[in-house]
Amino acid sequence: GQSLEQPSEVTAVEGAIVQINCTYQTSGFYGLSWYQQHDGGAPTFLSYNALDGLEETGRFSSFLSRSDSYGYLLLQELQMKDSASYFCAVRDDSGYALNFGKGTSLLVTP
Amino acid sequence: DSGVTQTPKHLITATGQRVTLRCSPRSGDLSVYWYQQSLDQGLQFLIQYYNGEERAKGNILERFSAQQFPDLHSELNLSSLELGDSALYFCASSEGSSGSSYNEQFFGPGTRLTVL
Repeated sequence: GQSLEQPSEVTAVEGAIVQINCTYQTSGFYGLSWYQQHDGGAPTFLSYNALDGLEETGRFSSFLSRSDSYGYLLLQELQMKDSASYFCAVRDDSGYALNFGKGTSLLVTP
Repeated sequence: DSGVTQTPKHLITATGQRVTLRCSPRSGDLSVYWYQQSLDQGLQFLIQYYNGEERAKGNILERFSAQQFPDLHSELNLSSLELGDSALYFCASSEGSSGSSYNEQFFGPGTRLTVL
């Protein structure tokens, strides 16, 4: 089967940097995705890593190490609006749909 | 705005009833996915359609069914509703024919179902 592990909660100060880790177990690997979800809102795609290394998109970066079955999302220059839940996801056994982690609730404080 | 629309936004119904949730994908997207999000189970994949055909099935109960129509909109039918079916139901879409498109999905605003 598949499993994804990520911390349930993280708190950080406005302007700081925070890293949200994700470890996964899956038989077939097609890359690691990250999604953001504000309370009551829809998940929004942030990034996707198919290969090892760092992908940077503005203040957000995502890293993948396939040999360690590990990835992380790095948020820089934190803003209050970054308070949200962040989900890592891998494609499920069908190869077509996503299996999401339980999510990490990020609270940014002044 | 992702370009994916879902109706209705809220639905309140009683146990034992049947409801239909509707989703219109982004223009040009051929794949539609349905997810259920509840507090204790997180975001769970239910079912996927690609260009009218069922492609993948997740943790979908037998009381639930879905279809995708020729105009690519999709409907999720939930029957014999139970209290535990109360959740947010999201539809997502993607272009659906290339590998990376399965990883980048665009979610609608969701339908909040409350079963009393």
